[in-house]
Amino acid sequence: GAVVSQHPSWVICKSGTSVKIECRSLDFQATTMFWYRQFPKQSLMLMATSNEGSKATYEQGVEKDKFLINHASLTLSTLTVTSAHPEDSSFYICSANPLGGYYEQYFGPGTRLTVT
Amino acid sequence: AQTVTQSQPEMSVQEAETVTLSCTYDTSENNYYLFWYKQPPSRQMILVIRQEAYKQQNATENRFSVNFQKAAKSFSLKISDSQLGDTAMYFCAVFNNDMRFGAGTRLTVKP
Repeated sequence: GAVVSQHPSWVICKSGTSVKIECRSLDFQATTMFWYRQFPKQSLMLMATSNEGSKATYEQGVEKDKFLINHASLTLSTLTVTSAHPEDSSFYICSANPLGGYYEQYFGPGTRLTVT
Repeated sequence: AQTVTQSQPEMSVQEAETVTLSCTYDTSENNYYLFWYKQPPSRQMILVIRQEAYKQQNATENRFSVNFQKAAKSFSLKISDSQLGDTAMYFCAVFNNDMRFGAGTRLTVKP
């Protein structure tokens, strides 16, 4: 149990276009989902915290108009990278916090974004 | 906000030997949770072990154990009987409302 999926697993897009990444909790409901960014050989950096039915909370330095997060249901959060630039190329990972599980985190497999 | 420091960018160990990965953290909170995650080349984050800060007893999980020193804000991971499959990046993390990760330690287990 406690599986989190991400779609797509790998996406290539052109500069200036937008791309949407989905994060789904497959067998549990998630009150909170987190989005991280990981550059090669670096750690996971928290980008934003997403709560179902409310606006996401962004970390300092993360452009909320560029990285749009929507958490429309208890099993789905989406991250849309708008007007993508090559420097947005990175590995994006989501995690989900189940209902009643304060500190439990289940991670998705990640999405590799390449902007050309 | 929490911060996590892993001072060993790379470590290596011979198969079947024991290795300890270091981690220190800083938080102003009294209620928090500490984690060690493994990230193999697939990049899937895998939970290795978890410690509740309010528990004094060190967590153990098969070959993995921690040395949790709350006053010193230290949370090291000991891997016993190292196996080739343990080769991966290891991240220390602290959770209080959200998760903060250390920079990671790349562990290589040599045959």
